This record gives sequence, C-alpha cells and structure tokens, in this order.
Amino acid sequence: EPEVTQTPSHQVTQMGQEVILRCVPISNHLYFYWYRQILGQKVEFLVSFYNNEISEKSEIFDDQFSVERPDGSNFTLKIRSTKLEDSAMYFCASNRGSVYEQYFGPGTRLTVT
Amino acid sequence: KNEVEQSPQNLTAQEGEFITINCSYSVGISALHWLQQHPGGGIVSLFMLSSGKKKHGRLIATINIQEKHSSLHITASHPRDSAVYICAVSRAAGNKLTFGGGTRVLVKP
Repeated sequence: EPEVTQTPSHQVTQMGQEVILRCVPISNHLYFYWYRQILGQKVEFLVSFYNNEISEKSEIFDDQFSVERPDGSNFTLKIRSTKLEDSAMYFCASNRGSVYEQYFGPGTRLTVT
Repeated sequence: KNEVEQSPQNLTAQEGEFITINCSYSVGISALHWLQQHPGGGIVSLFMLSSGKKKHGRLIATINIQEKHSSLHITASHPRDSAVYICAVSRAAGNKLTFGGGTRVLVKP
C-alpha cells in the first residue's frame, strides 16, 4: 500500500541553524500539507500546497518557514533560523483532493538545543 | 474557544468494554475525521465522514450535522486499541485539518 515517507525521523539542531525536513507524498496525490505537534499539545496546521504554490498558511508559518516541491516527488519544509520553540514533531500529509482523507507520514521529531 | 472539543481527555477501559469518544465542533465543516495516533507518534486516518455513520471492523463513527457532534465507538475493546484518538474537521473553504486535543485511551487486559 502506498505511504507517505519522511526523513529524517529525528533531527537535532542548534538554535539559529537552518533545517530542511523532507517528505515524499503518495505519487498520485495533488494536495500536500505540513502540520506540527509540540510535545503534549494538539496537532496544528502549518501550510497547504497545491499546484506548485501555497494554498493556505497559518499564523505559525512566518517568514522563517518555506516549502518547496523541487522535483515533483519530494515536498520539503525549511526553517531558516530555528528557535527553541520550533522543537516539535512535524508531520507531512497528502491527499488526492478536498473530499478525500489525508494520509500522514510517520513524522520528523525536531529538537532545537 | 477551541473550534474542536473532545471528551473525555483520558479514558481507561477493561478489555471487552464498549468505548465512546465524543467530539463537538463550532464551525461549518465539509467533513469530520477520526484519526488514531500511536504511542510512537504516527497518525493514521480511521474515518472521514460528512453525514450518517461508518463502520470498520470494531470501530463505528457517527456524525450529527445539525448538532455539530460526532462520536467514535470501539466495540469489544482490546489492549491493542490503546492509543490517542483525535477528532479533526476540514472546512468548506479549504482542505486543512483543525484538530481536537485528542482522547487518550488505555484498554487494560
């Protein structure tokens, strides 16, 4: 069964460093998402991406964040200058369209020290 | 006020018991989703529904659009059902999911 994959599974970085989280969505899916979950809190929406552009973003997704689909298969989330409060589990998800369920990747645990 | 509220926050059941988790939402939605989050963190979609009732194995999800309320039932619960169950909604204006806080379920043998 097709699945969403994410790499790395765990990333440790120092405050101020840039990180890139990578996702490979399911191949025939058209909509892509990033969510995050701070430890002990609920999952929060970051950004959605369709037709090679951002379709919606949350207040969390400020100028320090960017997304890209560089080669038609990977979907990346970049944080330019990490802060301690960026420590969280980051989930990538994809679906075929708004009337379809979203499939989640296993997550990347980002720890900023 | 949170757009999606779940109750209870925590639930402990004995193996074999019937479990109900409730979800209320305050906004217009295009669909309601029930998800399961395993102890390792991974999230799996269980149901997506916009009306009525869906059943998959021992899991049943219902939704009442007029009352803005949904329930997830687990029949004949088993220790492997122990997980966090999350209610989320997608709104008519977009595809993003807005999540509830989750219900932590522990089923004891």
